[in-house]
Amino acid sequence: QVQLVESGGGLVKPGGSLRLSCAASGFTFSDYYMTWIRQAPGKGLEWVSSIGSSGSPIYYADSVKGRFTISRDNSKNLVYLQMNSLGVGDTGVYFCARALEAWEFWGQGTRVSVSS
Amino acid sequence: SYVLTQPPSVSVAPGKTATVTCGGGDIEGKGVHWYQQRPGQAPILVIYYDTDRPSGIPARFSGSNSGNTATLTISRVEAGDEADYYCQVWDSRGAHPVFGGGTKLTVL
Repeated sequence: QVQLVESGGGLVKPGGSLRLSCAASGFTFSDYYMTWIRQAPGKGLEWVSSIGSSGSPIYYADSVKGRFTISRDNSKNLVYLQMNSLGVGDTGVYFCARALEAWEFWGQGTRVSVSS
Repeated sequence: SYVLTQPPSVSVAPGKTATVTCGGGDIEGKGVHWYQQRPGQAPILVIYYDTDRPSGIPARFSGSNSGNTATLTISRVEAGDEADYYCQVWDSRGAHPVFGGGTKLTVL
């Protein structure tokens, strides 16, 4: 069965960096777009970034462009989100999901807290 | 950027029908997807491309899309349907997905 497991979240100071990982299993990873979606505490869902099956194309939300970098390693079935220059507005749960939209499969999320 | 508008809340009695709307300019021309999210859980896709249901989603969930409004309909509402519901489309101009603000469904 399809499984997506995020990791790498934690507490970081403003201006700091984190790298999130999403380990995929149960499907042919290299056939699918992968996407990161986040949710601030008590708020709605916000799309963050997507990456094509072979590493391109790549899309970013305006709110993270220039600060976040999405990448993938198809040999390891992993997708990453490198997050730099973090601000309090980046606090929330980060989910990875399979596909470019109409996400049928999601991970359980990893929590990122940006606070001094 | 394309904007999707949802009512913040909808209330319905058990056994009745709930409708959650999602408004957007000429949304009829886009494929609309709907997600259910219970507190503390990851979202679940309940409707994709306006009307299709993923396997495992009860037939009580249905969708429609016409003009400037897409609608998620939940028939014979159960207590377990209480959740936040989000609509989502692909914004072709911005080349990215867009979510509605979400609707909290309360089962009375």
